[in-house]
Amino acid sequence: AQTVTQSQPEMSVQEAETVTLSCTYDTSESDYYLFWYKQPPSRQMILVIRQEAYKQQNATENRFSVNFQKAAKSFSLKISDSQLGDAAMYFCAYRRGYGGATNKLIFGTGTLLAVQP
Amino acid sequence: DAMVIQNPRYQVTQFGKPVTLSCSQTLNHNVMYWYQQKSSQAPKLLFHYYDKDFNNEADTPDNFQSRRPNTSFCFLDIRSPGLGDAAMYLCATSRAREQFFGPGTRLTVL
Repeated sequence: AQTVTQSQPEMSVQEAETVTLSCTYDTSESDYYLFWYKQPPSRQMILVIRQEAYKQQNATENRFSVNFQKAAKSFSLKISDSQLGDAAMYFCAYRRGYGGATNKLIFGTGTLLAVQP
Repeated sequence: DAMVIQNPRYQVTQFGKPVTLSCSQTLNHNVMYWYQQKSSQAPKLLFHYYDKDFNNEADTPDNFQSRRPNTSFCFLDIRSPGLGDAAMYLCATSRAREQFFGPGTRLTVL
């Protein structure tokens, strides 16, 4: 069975600084997707970034980028120029690549990010 | 804007009193999911629909049921809520790779 591990329950970063959130996963499959979702306090969960396992290039979305190490099964999220609005719970998630839209997300336990002004 | 809508945002019920949570979507996605999320935990999948095909997770209690009368709407019925069912309930939709989440309904059981 696939598992996703986030070993940092809480992180803190100064505004305008850079922070990296860690995620490791375990799977025997070769085709899969990895995601980072952001859930601000009392607000809805939104997708931050997505990585397809077959792509060697690391995904980037504005200030958010990932370091995808497929052999090491590592998928960390880097937030550059941190802003107060980045404060949230961040979930790493895995999804099997085949089988269509019904494939469920397997979530890590989350990392609570605080941004200090 | 296309979106996932959940009503109500906050629901209070009494121990043992049936409650229904609703979810609607304007994304026209064929897959809809219901998750339970307890404080500071990851969402836990309860079940999902692929069109009208219902798929229950093995560890979802019988107390939880769902209905999907059409593509746009999906309901979560909790037949006899217990104190342990107090949580945030998230609805999500998907057509391909990503899931899109609604804002959630926070259920309080008194």
